[in-house]
Amino acid sequence: GAVVSQHPSRVICKSGTSVKIECRSLDFQATTMFWYRQFPKQSLMLMATSNEGSKATYEQGVEKDKFLINHASLTLSTLTVTSAHPEDSSFYICSAIPGQASYEQYFGPGTRLTVT
Amino acid sequence: EDQVTQSPEALRLQEGESSSLNCSYTVSGLRGLFWYRQDPGKGPEFLFTLYSAGEEKEKERLKATLTKKESFLHITAPKPEDSATYLCAVQANFGNEKLTFGTGTRLTIIP
Repeated sequence: GAVVSQHPSRVICKSGTSVKIECRSLDFQATTMFWYRQFPKQSLMLMATSNEGSKATYEQGVEKDKFLINHASLTLSTLTVTSAHPEDSSFYICSAIPGQASYEQYFGPGTRLTVT
Repeated sequence: EDQVTQSPEALRLQEGESSSLNCSYTVSGLRGLFWYRQDPGKGPEFLFTLYSAGEEKEKERLKATLTKKESFLHITAPKPEDSATYLCAVQANFGNEKLTFGTGTRLTIIP
């Protein structure tokens, strides 16, 4: 149990275009999902907390107009990188918490974004 | 501000050579400390949660322990398939369930 999927696993886009990444909880409902970014040989940095049915909470320094988050259902959150630039190239990972009595976050497999 | 420091940054062991990875933390009230394993190009895989000092958890060749200031991940008689980056993260009592991660220990087990 507690499986989280992401799609796509890899995406290459041109500078100035937008790209959408999906995060799904496959066998549980998640009222809260998290989006992280990881640069090569660095640790995970939380970008935002995604709450079902409400606006996402962004970490300091993360542009909410650039990284649009939508959590439309209890099993799906999306991250849209708008007007992408090469510096947005990174590994984006989502996570979710499967239960009310647990604080354990389960992570998706990640999405490698390359902006050319 | 919550902080997590992991050491060493990288560790190379011979197969069967036991060792420990360290995670030192400062947090404004610890709700939980988490250990994850991450393979290259993949998302972190959950290993353990520790909630209070003195707690220990085991899974196969791994054992995690917790004190008020640090956690250790002990690996006993490792195998090459244990090679990965091991990440430690803390979650504070207050606020949402956000995790603060350390930079990880890159473990290589040599056959």
